[in-house]
Amino acid sequence: DARVTQTPRHKVTEMGQEVTMRCQPILGHNTVFWYRQTMMQGLELLAYFRNRAPLDDSGMPKDRFSAEMPDATLATLKIQPSEPRDSAVYFCASGLVLSAGSQQPQHFGDGTRLSIL
Amino acid sequence: DAKTTQPPSMDCAEGRAANLPCNHSTISGNEYVYWYRQIHSQGPQYIIHGLKNNETNEMASLIITEDRKSSTLILPHATLRDTAVYYCIVRPLGDKVIFGPGTSLSVIP
Repeated sequence: DARVTQTPRHKVTEMGQEVTMRCQPILGHNTVFWYRQTMMQGLELLAYFRNRAPLDDSGMPKDRFSAEMPDATLATLKIQPSEPRDSAVYFCASGLVLSAGSQQPQHFGDGTRLSIL
Repeated sequence: DAKTTQPPSMDCAEGRAANLPCNHSTISGNEYVYWYRQIHSQGPQYIIHGLKNNETNEMASLIITEDRKSSTLILPHATLRDTAVYYCIVRPLGDKVIFGPGTSLSVIP
């Protein structure tokens, strides 16, 4: 089965450091989502892209977070500078949405577990 | 966005059917009902979705009431591996998925 691949799976770093998380969506999917999960907040949508263009990043702290899609096979989520409150599991998901109104459901990666000390 | 209401937790005996309810009384005509689940330490997994007809796949069945104000996800023969948090979500086709707290299902031997 095709899978969404996220790297790294685990990241531990000190506050103030830059963190970059990467996501390889399923080949052919045109929509990519970034989520963050914590015990307190549950699963939160941070941002999503369609055909590499950002559609909604209202869930993302703008001062330190940035999300990009350099090409159709790579999505990145960066935090600079990182803070302890950014500690969470970050999930990437991809899906296919067609203009005719059909779609394939979102498929999720296994996440990046981020710990900021 | 339509809101959903799910019980916070449920138990089910192994081998029995697990019936997970979801209320979505404010659902709009163009919104689909989606179900995902999240097994501990894994990413959410798509299970099934539907608009107004009942749906079945290899994982589960989805029963949607005629007025579309509620639905039930049925796992016909629950196994220990079905222990997970189950999320019911309503959204237009192709729109972003917003997760609520879900139902924590425990399958008991």
